[in-house]
Amino acid sequence: DTEVTQTPKHLVMGMTNKKSLKCEQHMGHRAMYWYKQKAKKPPELMFVYSYEKLSINESVPSRFSPECPNSSLLNLHLHALQPEDSALYLCASSQGTGVAGPWDEQFFGPGTRLTVL
Amino acid sequence: AQSVAQPEDQVNVAEGNPLTVKCTYSVSGNPYLFWYVQYPNRGLQFLLKYITGDNLVKGSYGFEAEFNKSQTSFHLKKPSALVSDSALYFCAVSSLAGNNRKLIWGLGTSLAVNP
Repeated sequence: DTEVTQTPKHLVMGMTNKKSLKCEQHMGHRAMYWYKQKAKKPPELMFVYSYEKLSINESVPSRFSPECPNSSLLNLHLHALQPEDSALYLCASSQGTGVAGPWDEQFFGPGTRLTVL
Repeated sequence: AQSVAQPEDQVNVAEGNPLTVKCTYSVSGNPYLFWYVQYPNRGLQFLLKYITGDNLVKGSYGFEAEFNKSQTSFHLKKPSALVSDSALYFCAVSSLAGNNRKLIWGLGTSLAVNP
C-alpha cells in the first residue's frame, strides 16, 4: 500500500468551530508532515513528526494543533480559525527524516479543502 | 541560504513536442533535488529525484531530469508532451534544519500542453 489517505476531502467551518483533519499511511514511514497550500502556490510546511515526536513546528499559530497518536496516524486539530486559513491542507509521509534520509521522497495525500467562513 | 528558482511561471508546448521545465538551485553541501507534479485539485505526486551518480535521472510518466552541477540546474524534460501532462510542476531541494530535513520549494511552473 503506497497511499496516504486524508479525511475529510472537504470541510467548511465557522470561526468558532472545532474540527479535526485526519491522515493515515501504512507504508511504515517514520516521518509525517502537514502542509498548507494556497492556490497555485508551493506547499508551506507546518509540522513534521519524526518517530511520532514533533520535530519541526514552523511557527504555526496555536489554533492549529497537531497530534500523532501512532506511527500510522496524524491529526490536525483546528480551533478558532480565521478566513485566511482557508486552503488545501496536505499530509505527507516519508521513509526517513533528518540526516538519515535526506534523499527520501515524500508521498502526499489528496488533501483536505478547508473553507473557513 | 538554500533556495530553488523556477524562472518560468508558465510553459506552453504543443502536444508531441519536447518539453523542458527549468529549475536552478543554491545549496551548501550535496544537493538532493526533487520534482513533483500537481494535477488540478489533487495532491502532489513525486516524479523523480537526484541523489548522486548519473546526471540524467529517469522518473515516472516518461519524465527525466538533467542535473548540471556547474550550472546548478535540474531541468525537467520529456521527449514528447501529452495533453495529460498539463499540470503544476514544483522543483524542490532537501535542506538541513537542525537535526531534520525539510524541502525548500520553487514557486512552481504551470505547464500547458496544447492539442
